[in-house]
Amino acid sequence: GAVVSQHPSWVICKSGTSVKIECRSLDFQATTMFWYRQFPKQSLMLMATSNEGSKATYEQGVEKDKFLINHASLTLSTLTVTSAHPEDSSFYICSARDTPGNYEQYFGPGTRLTVT
Amino acid sequence: GEDVEQSLFLSVREGDSSVINCTYTDSSSTYLYWYKQEPGAGLQLLTYIFSNMDMKQDQRLTVLLNKKDKHLSLRIADTQTGDSAIYFCAEGSSYKLIFGSGTRLLVRP
Repeated sequence: GAVVSQHPSWVICKSGTSVKIECRSLDFQATTMFWYRQFPKQSLMLMATSNEGSKATYEQGVEKDKFLINHASLTLSTLTVTSAHPEDSSFYICSARDTPGNYEQYFGPGTRLTVT
Repeated sequence: GEDVEQSLFLSVREGDSSVINCTYTDSSSTYLYWYKQEPGAGLQLLTYIFSNMDMKQDQRLTVLLNKKDKHLSLRIADTQTGDSAIYFCAEGSSYKLIFGSGTRLLVRP
């Protein structure tokens, strides 16, 4: 149980375009979903936390107008990178938690974004 | 502020024990975690320890927590080539995780 999927697993887009990444909890309802960004050989940096039906909470330094997060249902959150630039190229990982206060976050397999 | 630090690289011979170390700064963290990441993949939770515990053992994995020094370690007994990966420690409360930079473990045959 507790499987999180991401789609697509990798995407290449041109500079200036927008790209949407989906994160789904397959066998549980995710009250909270998290979006992380990982640069090569570096750690995961939390970008934002989203609770179903409410606005996402962004970490300091993350542009909310550039990284649009929608958590419209208990099983789906989306991250849209708007007007992508090469510096947005990264590995984006989502995670989900089923109940508030649960110690564990279940991680998706990640999406590799390359902006050309 | 919150900060989690790890050594970057560890190389061991197959069959030996591996010890990966981590230091953290937030004494209010409720849980401390060890995650494994294989190339191009997401994170797999290996084990976790509550902040009021000193030690936890789970098969080949032993976690030691020194709260006074804010030091966490992961020992992998009988390390296998399949254990080669990046290991992240993380500290967290119920709402947020802070990850270390990751330790790349290389297991030599």
